[in-house]
Amino acid sequence: SYVLTQPPSVSVAPGKTARITCGGSNITIKNVHWYQQKAGQAPVLVIYYDDDRPSGIPERFSGSNSGNTATLTISRVEAGDEADYYCQVWDSSSDHPGVFGGGTKLTVL
Amino acid sequence: QVQLVQSGAEVKKPGASVKVSCKASGYTFITYGITWVRQAPGQGLEWMGWISTYTGNPKYAQKFQGRVTMTTDTPTSTAYMELRSLRSDDTAVYYCARQTRGYSYAFDYWGQGALVTVSS
Repeated sequence: SYVLTQPPSVSVAPGKTARITCGGSNITIKNVHWYQQKAGQAPVLVIYYDDDRPSGIPERFSGSNSGNTATLTISRVEAGDEADYYCQVWDSSSDHPGVFGGGTKLTVL
Repeated sequence: QVQLVQSGAEVKKPGASVKVSCKASGYTFITYGITWVRQAPGQGLEWMGWISTYTGNPKYAQKFQGRVTMTTDTPTSTAYMELRSLRSDDTAVYYCARQTRGYSYAFDYWGQGALVTVSS
């Protein structure tokens, strides 16, 4: 089945820009979705179809997808952005279509 | 507003079964699929399978084939996930989530999660 690779952790100072990557073979041909999960809470969809934001998600959250890497970018990082972030694709040709990356812990210094 | 409300925490012995419910409201149930995801303590998200609420057809991750059954009850807008032959490593929070429409499913609304603890 398809594999998504994320760095275990990313650290950033408040007000700076955080970039969280998600690697996969030729991932550019897939649509990547991103979730934020704060401690003790259910995940929340923050980016879908590579770069679309659901209503209610701040414009500070953006996404891109090129080559073998998709990226979630969080601009002007705030303390409240500290969370685990997961990328996800739907590999419809696979017997295991729902695929998550291993998750990245974002720490705001 | 869209809501998915799951059943409560359960404690089960090894070898037992658990059935988690997920009651949807705020939208037309049969127009969006339901996916099930679990998260073991301190671990990442693991996709278990999904069910078409329109046809009732499920698709399970191979890892759970033979041990899991996903069903729906359209009159009550409720989805169910039953996991059998429980082991200690099935201890996890089990989430249901609504799938977006289209050709590449994202999960736009999630239940609050149901903690299942497997312990002798």
